[in-house]
Amino acid sequence: AQKITQTQPGMFVQEKEAVTLDCTYDTSDPSYGLFWYKQPSSGEMIFLIYQGSYDQQNATEGRYSLNFQKARKSANLVISASQLGDSAMYFCAMREGPTGGFKTIFGAGTRLFVKA
Amino acid sequence: KAGVTQTPRYLIKTRGQQVTLSCSPISGHRSVSWYQQTPGQGLQFLFEYFSETQRNKGNFPGRFSGRQFSNSRSEMNVSTLELGDSALYLCASSLEIGGAYGYTFGSGTRLTVV
Repeated sequence: AQKITQTQPGMFVQEKEAVTLDCTYDTSDPSYGLFWYKQPSSGEMIFLIYQGSYDQQNATEGRYSLNFQKARKSANLVISASQLGDSAMYFCAMREGPTGGFKTIFGAGTRLFVKA
Repeated sequence: KAGVTQTPRYLIKTRGQQVTLSCSPISGHRSVSWYQQTPGQGLQFLFEYFSETQRNKGNFPGRFSGRQFSNSRSEMNVSTLELGDSALYLCASSLEIGGAYGYTFGSGTRLTVV
């Protein structure tokens, strides 16, 4: 069963606008971590943002924010003021607790295209 | 601070051969995880090493193996290569097991099996 689901294979956004990339997850562990990574065409995965399952506030890192809705098991990434350099693949990931063996698993990714 | 270094960047091998990939983590990181990335399967977890011990293993055949040295450098070996092993192999290092607060990834090794 899919534990990390990214339902948007591709997304387009106009430069300078905000965009939301969706991610839902499934785990029975009470303690887990949620992450977003960016993979440009060069191939290297870049860590963007982290949210712990017990964190009360949504994580923010510059133009990136994670909209964490625990009851819905969603962890959407919001990119504000999109830039051309934001065009890349974006992966949602979850580090499970003991039930999942403390592994980090990744979703299928969303390809974001930023239009000038 | 040096990043995660993976060597080589590109490899072309023939079916049936074996290959060894290398990963040097960020200084101070004791955890090294390996992932296989393909267009069809996405990012698949291979295994993780922490303090020279394999702590986690994904669902890959025994042809895929790895090890970690006392300086935290890790190697991954694939024996009897198959065409389906063609992929980008990513190494990720972290302070804690399983990338607890996020991974730092290397640039990857792109393996092509012909």
